[in-house]
Amino acid sequence: SYELTQPPSVSVSPGQTASITCSGDDLGNKYVCWYQQRPGQSPQLIIYQDDKWPSGIPDRFSGSNSGNTATLTISGAQAVDEADYYCQAWDSSTAVFGGGTKLTVL
Amino acid sequence: EVQLVESGGGLVQPGGSLRLSCAGSGFTFSNYWMHWVRQAPGKGLVWVSRIKSDGSIINYADFVKGRFTISRDNAKNTLYLQMNRLRVDDTAVYYCARDMDYDSFWGQGTLVTVSS
Repeated sequence: SYELTQPPSVSVSPGQTASITCSGDDLGNKYVCWYQQRPGQSPQLIIYQDDKWPSGIPDRFSGSNSGNTATLTISGAQAVDEADYYCQAWDSSTAVFGGGTKLTVL
Repeated sequence: EVQLVESGGGLVQPGGSLRLSCAGSGFTFSNYWMHWVRQAPGKGLVWVSRIKSDGSIINYADFVKGRFTISRDNAKNTLYLQMNRLRVDDTAVYYCARDMDYDSFWGQGTLVTVSS
């Protein structure tokens, strides 16, 4: 079965840039979404189709996808961005999530 | 305001059954694919199943095939998940989600606990 691999944790200082990677076989030929899940809340879509923003999502979040790796970049990280982040792609009519990355802003 | 409200979770013994419901409002329910995604305590997101807007296409994760059944009633704006032969490792918060693309929206989830 298809797998997506994320680092368990990433740390960033306030105002700096954080990058979260998502790796999978030939991932660049699939569309990737990114979800943010703050503690105690349900997930929220922050990037779809690799690099597009849903309505209301700040443009400090950006996405890219090439080769075997998709990347979520958070520019000017803020305390409010501290959350779990999940990548997601489709493989043979099945949705696959990465294991999630806990972003710490400190 | 878009809302998805899950219900039907609770404590059930291994081998038992539960039926989850997800009531949608604030949008045209019949226009959207709908999904169930679960999250075990302290763990990550795992996709369970999806159903097309008109119910004509259904897909399941391998680990629930033959045990879970997804369905919808567009007249009632409601999504369902019938869960049979439940196992301890089915314990999770179950979320319903509208779409999994640009218009994605998730409910607050309902907790299913499978334990003797």
